[in-house]
Amino acid sequence: DQQVKQNSPSLSVQEGRISILNCDYTNSMFDYFLWYKKYPAEGPTFLISISSIKDKNEDGRFTVFLNKSAKHLSLHIVPSQPGDSAVYFCAALYSGNTPLVFGKGTRLSVIA
Amino acid sequence: NAGVTQTPKFRVLKTGQSMTLLCAQDMNHEYMYWYRQDPGMGLRLIHYSVGEGTTAKGEVPDGYNVSRLKKQNFLLGLESAAPSQTSVYFCASRRTPGTRIGYTFGSGTRLTVV
Repeated sequence: DQQVKQNSPSLSVQEGRISILNCDYTNSMFDYFLWYKKYPAEGPTFLISISSIKDKNEDGRFTVFLNKSAKHLSLHIVPSQPGDSAVYFCAALYSGNTPLVFGKGTRLSVIA
Repeated sequence: NAGVTQTPKFRVLKTGQSMTLLCAQDMNHEYMYWYRQDPGMGLRLIHYSVGEGTTAKGEVPDGYNVSRLKKQNFLLGLESAAPSQTSVYFCASRRTPGTRIGYTFGSGTRLTVV
């Protein structure tokens, strides 16, 4: 049973436009959510996170929104750049000790 | 500062052979993890460790064993490799509880079992 779901395997966006990547979760115990970015032949790298007590967190071009009632979060990238082309993983955890649970990932392609 | 180092980077095994994947971190992190990444499956947790001498099963532990004899090293063993274990394996580490971010990943080991 998948606890973190990324239902869009891929997304294609033009350079300069907004990219919106979505993630849904089923476990109400999750209280911290993270986005990781992965380039080919590299390990995932941390991008941005949000605690369940917030509904928005911004870091430069990246903003994560959390809707707890819908168990949904999204990552907005504005403006999108070709270097943003990568696989993005949504991840979640509860308490400080549990391992991260990852979604299947969404491959973002930003077209120049 | 090397971070998390995985060796080897690539390996081809025959069915039934055994091997050990090594993960080493130089950040004095307490927690270490082994994930596998398969097309369309995302990152799935195999085993993890919350400190030296401890190990615990993750989501897909069958066919794998692990050891954490030293704090800085986390070994993943395949006793009898199967084609279903063809995957990219990632090791990660993070600091002590209370730090919810800070997973550092290695660059991966691509394993092919023929």
